[in-house]
Amino acid sequence: GQQLNQSPQSMFIQEGEDVSMNCTSSSIFNTWLWYKQEPGEGPVLLIALYKAGELTSNGRLTAQFGITRKDSFLNISASIPSDVGIYFCAAAGNNRKLIWGLGTSLAVNP
Amino acid sequence: GAVVSQHPSWVICKSGTSVKIECRSLDFQATTMFWYRQFPKQSLMLMATSNEGSKATYEQGVEKDKFLINHASLTLSTLTVTSAHPEDSSFYICSAQRGAGETQYFGPGTRLLVL
Repeated sequence: GQQLNQSPQSMFIQEGEDVSMNCTSSSIFNTWLWYKQEPGEGPVLLIALYKAGELTSNGRLTAQFGITRKDSFLNISASIPSDVGIYFCAAAGNNRKLIWGLGTSLAVNP
Repeated sequence: GAVVSQHPSWVICKSGTSVKIECRSLDFQATTMFWYRQFPKQSLMLMATSNEGSKATYEQGVEKDKFLINHASLTLSTLTVTSAHPEDSSFYICSAQRGAGETQYFGPGTRLLVL
């Protein structure tokens, strides 16, 4: 099935560093979402983006809906150990079905 | 917030038995619920979409007679894995949506192990 291209696949960083990950697609979407999933848990919504060019923050997290509607990025500033987890992007088009990226696994060294 | 629960959180069963997983929206009414399956280190794979009071819509390759979905009320959907086999072992996650096009809120998942 269709999937988003999410990168990087994994990251190992030092506490305090900033993190950036992104998702791209060849298709246009109306909604971009970023979720975090911890082991054995369901995904938790971090940020939802509904408008091209929109830049939204949630604490230390910032995400943008690309102007072309084909991409989005998520930044985490000043990472802390509890940021560890897998981050997924997801996007929806007119059919409202969510298309998922393969995830970015984040490890933070205290 | 929008809270979605799943029960059970994990289940171990023998091959050939059936397993029922419940998904509940606790503080809102969900017109649509979704069922996903996730294998280790992989992304979520949509299995089916269910709207309250109507038959579920299954994704290509998902057997509707094996994965029975019932969405009897605006707060409850159930997934029954019939005649489970070891290859059905996976992490099953549901999500719920208030209205069309709105954000999906996910449950905590159910880990199924079929021996």
